[in-house]
Amino acid sequence: DAKTTQPTSMDCAEGRAANLPCNHSTISGNEYVYWYRQIHSQGPQYIIHGLKNNETNEMASLIITEDRKSSTLILPHATLRDTAVYYCITQKTSYDKVIFGPGTSLSVIP
Amino acid sequence: GAGVSQSPRYKVAKRGQDVALRCDPISGHVSLFWYQQALGQGPEFLTYFQNEAQLDKSGLPSDRFFAERPEGSVSTLKIQRTQQEDSAVYLCASSLATPGTYGYTFGSGTRLTVV
Repeated sequence: DAKTTQPTSMDCAEGRAANLPCNHSTISGNEYVYWYRQIHSQGPQYIIHGLKNNETNEMASLIITEDRKSSTLILPHATLRDTAVYYCITQKTSYDKVIFGPGTSLSVIP
Repeated sequence: GAGVSQSPRYKVAKRGQDVALRCDPISGHVSLFWYQQALGQGPEFLTYFQNEAQLDKSGLPSDRFFAERPEGSVSTLKIQRTQQEDSAVYLCASSLATPGTYGYTFGSGTRLTVV
């Protein structure tokens, strides 16, 4: 079973920030939080990852709570192309097998 | 190449037929993973290679499924005597074997339809 829980679906208005939450209350100290997204008919795409500190890249920001039991992926200005399923997973190393849950289906509304 | 390449992109097989799905990982990526994704579901782990060694095959659903990576680069997933329940998208991913680095890079998958 996946070790994370996410809302099944979310809507976001185009141009607004999309905030996608994830619970990982059983995360261990050496596990990273990774986010992927999957656009229809494509393979999942890596977005961002973090251990303790907040992270930002050209795609998104990742906010991890101080107790590391939850995180939020932020897409600062959502576009229609951000409509996808977003997966939050925890992983010790990049060669651990990843257990995907059902993810959050994000719909960006014009 | 720049990404993970999978072929064929689509495969239609008659029930009982054997199929072979190919994955070309990113050059230099030590780890290679196969996943199965049914419609509307998240990807399900099948098997994992580190170089040519198959370190985990716990996700293979039956002994009809077999994967190999003989030279530590290209991998093939073979399904013998295909059944309708094997219809799914088969995803391949590769990664560097370094903790905390960028995650997996996935291919676009092979959509297998068993009729």
